Amino acid sequence: EVQLVESGGGLVQPGGSLRLSCAASGFTFSTYWMRWVRQAPGKGLEWVANIDQDGGNKNYVDSVKGRFTISRDNAKNSLFLQMNSLRTEDTAMYYCARDGLPTAADFWGQGTQVTVSS
Amino acid sequence: QSALTQPASVSGSPGQSITISCTGTSSDVGGYNYVSWYQQHPGKAPEVMIYEVSNRPSGVSSRFSGSKSGNTASLTISGLQPEDEADYYCSSYTSINIVIFGGGTKLTVL
Repeated sequence: EVQLVESGGGLVQPGGSLRLSCAASGFTFSTYWMRWVRQAPGKGLEWVANIDQDGGNKNYVDSVKGRFTISRDNAKNSLFLQMNSLRTEDTAMYYCARDGLPTAADFWGQGTQVTVSS
Repeated sequence: QSALTQPASVSGSPGQSITISCTGTSSDVGGYNYVSWYQQHPGKAPEVMIYEVSNRPSGVSSRFSGSKSGNTASLTISGLQPEDEADYYCSSYTSINIVIFGGGTKLTVL
């Protein structure tokens, strides 16, 4: 059974940092693109970043470029999102997802909440 | 990286059909067959319903169908059922592996 379990969210002050993790199981993690998607309270989905199978190709939404870094450890079946210089507008539920279909995410985690507030 | 345009809400009665539109540009929706649709119930993670414009993943009801004309993609749900009430999001890849979502459409089953 495919499972994605996010962790690492929490309350942080503006300007602070958090590192999100996504533990994958039930599939061959190293053969899939992965992505992070976030959803602010009461708002729609926003794609944040994606990464290819070996980590050599990474892409970001403009609003997080230079502040967030996506990475993966295929030996540990884990996806990460390092978030620096956090802003109040980064407050959201953060989901990791597997790109198991051509250009679409077929499995999603349940999300981890990030709140940026003083 | 502008969001795709969807109607804020649509509604229909059980058994009816509804269509949700998703308008982009020639750089995303119109330029590639990389449109997908997601269903999200309150407090739950999204689920993919359509990928590559009109393909249904295994396990998704045939009542869900997708299409595209020019820069506008559409999701049609036929034979509406109460459990279809949810938020629906379209999404498109662009030329450089960037993903954009629509603003979301709230479907109400009357």
